[in-house]
Amino acid sequence: DVKVTQSSRYLVKRTGEKVFLECVQDMDHENMFWYRQDPGLGLRLIYFSYDVKMKEKGDIPEGYSVSREKKERFSLILESASTNQTSMYLCASRAERTQTDTQYFGPGTRLTVL
Amino acid sequence: DQQVKQNSPSLSVQEGRISILNCDYTNSMFDYFLWYKKYPAEGPTFLISISSIKDKNEDGRFTVFLNKSAKHLSLHIVPSQPGDSAVYFCAASVTPNSGYALNFGKGTSLLVTP
Repeated sequence: DVKVTQSSRYLVKRTGEKVFLECVQDMDHENMFWYRQDPGLGLRLIYFSYDVKMKEKGDIPEGYSVSREKKERFSLILESASTNQTSMYLCASRAERTQTDTQYFGPGTRLTVL
Repeated sequence: DQQVKQNSPSLSVQEGRISILNCDYTNSMFDYFLWYKKYPAEGPTFLISISSIKDKNEDGRFTVFLNKSAKHLSLHIVPSQPGDSAVYFCAASVTPNSGYALNFGKGTSLLVTP
């Protein structure tokens, strides 16, 4: 069974803090993704990575950066957290064999920025 | 700009009846479509998918129909069960696309009542 874990389920930070969200997958997947989910907006892609040290911007990368130093780990970084980054953050991974390979999601991190 | 649209934010169905969730898309390049199911405080889980070369895919109680000319797909759940109550996200991807990043709709919240 594929397992995608995220370092925290709930996180509360203050405006201006640097925030790290960690995601680890145990299936040797090449592709990893960060999404945020907001009411009425669905899931929006922030960044994705198709290999170690490789990254590409998604639809809403502003205010975020990512790091992929090891294949199994993909980190999302909020350099200076702001209240509009309060959201549910979801990490996903998939193998890069074919288009039909499924994306597997972690349980999510609910981040509140005060 | 939302390329995948789920115009019904919510749907209520009686147990045992059919649930029909709809999804429209605007990008004619999309060639692979998926449905994900999400319970509160959990990550989305893959439910069923369909390639653009097909117009129907069935898996147990779940069937997805694709109408390419109308750029429309639908998910049918028969019979609906209370455990099906969740948010359902429609998603689409394009070949080729690094990492096959998914474009998600905003979701439809399904409530199945006893």
